[in-house]
Amino acid sequence: NAGVTQTPKFQVLKTGQSMTLQCAQDMNHEYMSWYRQDPGMGLRLIHYSVGAGITDQGEVPNGYNVSRSTTEDFPLRLLSAAPSQTSVYFCASSRYRLSSYEQYFGPGTRLTVT
Amino acid sequence: QKEVEQDPGPLSVPEGAIVSLNCTYSNSAFQYFMWYRQYSRKGPELLMYTYSSGNKEDGRFTAQVDKSSKYISLFIRDSQPSDSATYLCAMSAGNTGNQFYFGTGTSLTVIP
Repeated sequence: NAGVTQTPKFQVLKTGQSMTLQCAQDMNHEYMSWYRQDPGMGLRLIHYSVGAGITDQGEVPNGYNVSRSTTEDFPLRLLSAAPSQTSVYFCASSRYRLSSYEQYFGPGTRLTVT
Repeated sequence: QKEVEQDPGPLSVPEGAIVSLNCTYSNSAFQYFMWYRQYSRKGPELLMYTYSSGNKEDGRFTAQVDKSSKYISLFIRDSQPSDSATYLCAMSAGNTGNQFYFGTGTSLTVIP
């Protein structure tokens, strides 16, 4: 199993550009989520999904969209990049939504917006 | 006020020392308490989890939860240089949607 994979590893965008961060898992996990990690702020939940076709907002959803058409994939879209979105983005997955303490994280995407 | 507070450190100890890492929280609904380890430029990996109050031991690691004080701890015995990492606490109420709230992380260096 590859676990949770994320692409790209690094990305530089100009203000106003859009892009999609990819996340995939091969563990047949129901629950998937996106976090951003910033110095002094910890990990903050952006969006999450409890199954294919079901998504919901987390703590910091503004400026981001998600969709979940399959169990395996959970892409994160930045609609119009802003410097405030410079961060490290982590995707995570877990098996059961009500016992999702055992989250598996991907390696992260480092995004810089200039 | 943040949901979860964690001293960022950095913490530097000699090899073999006992390390104590702590978090406090404000939401009394939290029932699941987790500790993650994050090496530099890697994703967090789950180290231990505890449900409700009490202690849990796994090898050199012990997690403690005191819900009355809203305080959790992670103890590392016989610390090794390979334990050098950032340690994140995380908590959840366990309800539908199951949002996790993370501490900012404590950076630990174990000196050989």
